Amino acid sequence: SYVLTQPPSVSVAPGQTARITCGGNNIGSKSVHWYQQKPGQAPVLVVYDDSDRPSGIPERFSGSNSGNTATLTISRVEAGDEADYYCQVWDSSSDRPGVFGGGTKLTVL
Amino acid sequence: EVQLVESGGGLVQPGGSLRLSCAASGFTFSSYEMNWVRQAPGKGLEWVSYISSSGSTIYYADSVKGRFTISRDNAKNSLYLQMNSLRAEDTAVYYCARVGRGYSYEFDYWGQGTLVTVSS
Repeated sequence: SYVLTQPPSVSVAPGQTARITCGGNNIGSKSVHWYQQKPGQAPVLVVYDDSDRPSGIPERFSGSNSGNTATLTISRVEAGDEADYYCQVWDSSSDRPGVFGGGTKLTVL
Repeated sequence: EVQLVESGGGLVQPGGSLRLSCAASGFTFSSYEMNWVRQAPGKGLEWVSYISSSGSTIYYADSVKGRFTISRDNAKNSLYLQMNSLRAEDTAVYYCARVGRGYSYEFDYWGQGTLVTVSS
């Protein structure tokens, strides 16, 4: 089955730019979605189809996807962005199509 | 307003059964594909199962195949997960999640989750 690999943790100072990667074999050929999860809360979709934002998500959240790596970029990081972030794809060629990355804990220093 | 509300979680002994429900409102439930996703304590998200809008197409993760059954009742705007032969490793918060209207299966709305604890 398809595997997505994320770094366990990323740290960034307030006001700086955070980049969270999601690695997968030829992931650039797939649509990647990103979720933010704060402690005790359900996940929230922050980027879908590599780089689109749902209504209500700040423009500070953006995404890209090419080759074997997709990236979630958070600009002008705020304390409220501290959370776990998960990438996800749908592997349509599989009968177990739902795939999540292991998650990345974003710490705002 | 889209709402997904899970229920049915609780404490169950190993080998036991439990049925989770997800009540949907604020959208035309029968037009949307749905999923169950779980999260073990302190761990990441794990996709569990998918069901198409009509219920005709279903997928399961290897970890639950043969033990869990996903279903839906579009007349009742409800999604279900029948869990049998439960194991300690099934202990998790279970979320229902709606598939968005695009074609790449993003999960655009999630419920608040229901906790399942498998322990003797």
